[in-house]
Amino acid sequence: DSGVTQTPKHLITATGQRVTLRCSPRSGDLSVYWYQQSLDQGLQFLIQYYNGEERAKGNILERFSAQQFPDLHSELNLSSLELGDSALYFCASSRLAGVTYNEQFFGPGTRLTVL
Amino acid sequence: TQLLEQSPQFLSIQEGENLTVYCNSSSVFSSLQWYRQEPGEGPVLLVTVVTGGEVKKLKRLTFQFGDARKDSSLHITAAQTGDTGLYLCAGAGAAGNKLTFGGGTRVLVKP
Repeated sequence: DSGVTQTPKHLITATGQRVTLRCSPRSGDLSVYWYQQSLDQGLQFLIQYYNGEERAKGNILERFSAQQFPDLHSELNLSSLELGDSALYFCASSRLAGVTYNEQFFGPGTRLTVL
Repeated sequence: TQLLEQSPQFLSIQEGENLTVYCNSSSVFSSLQWYRQEPGEGPVLLVTVVTGGEVKKLKRLTFQFGDARKDSSLHITAAQTGDTGLYLCAGAGAAGNKLTFGGGTRVLVKP
């Protein structure tokens, strides 16, 4: 158990809908990262938050957004869902940000299926 | 854009045999992490290497970071069925933020 929790475990929805994925980092970790894992693209970095502020952005679509709250939990919002958004979404957390030795610990993931 | 290539993509061996997984890039990484992932679960961190030429051992697993910090290898000695899984290498850039993942090596250890 990495200490990172994600809910829900599974999510099935229809095209055009909007969903929210939730992540609680390990105790003491200030940085949260979101990744998407699909069969054809592998694990892709989406976005990072550090202590409530956006720190780095990757291949995140404009239909997707995220935020980190004062209690450090984070939510990833996916809207106008398309079939191609079906994937595993992982949250990871680390103690700091912007340092060389910055190990990231991953949650169990949310499997999103768009029908 | 930093890219990491892992080889081989798939490896099937008998219990007791040795195996090596390679992770290569044309880019320099500030650190490199190895993860193992089971189906439907999140990647589990195995080790982080930071210094060029660094070698770390974790029981039967030996990890090496290339001198130029562009490549890494994972060697498993006397593989066991419990070593079966997807092995992922991931490199961190200078800012130490996002991880760039390799495509993964699926290892199957047969009894």
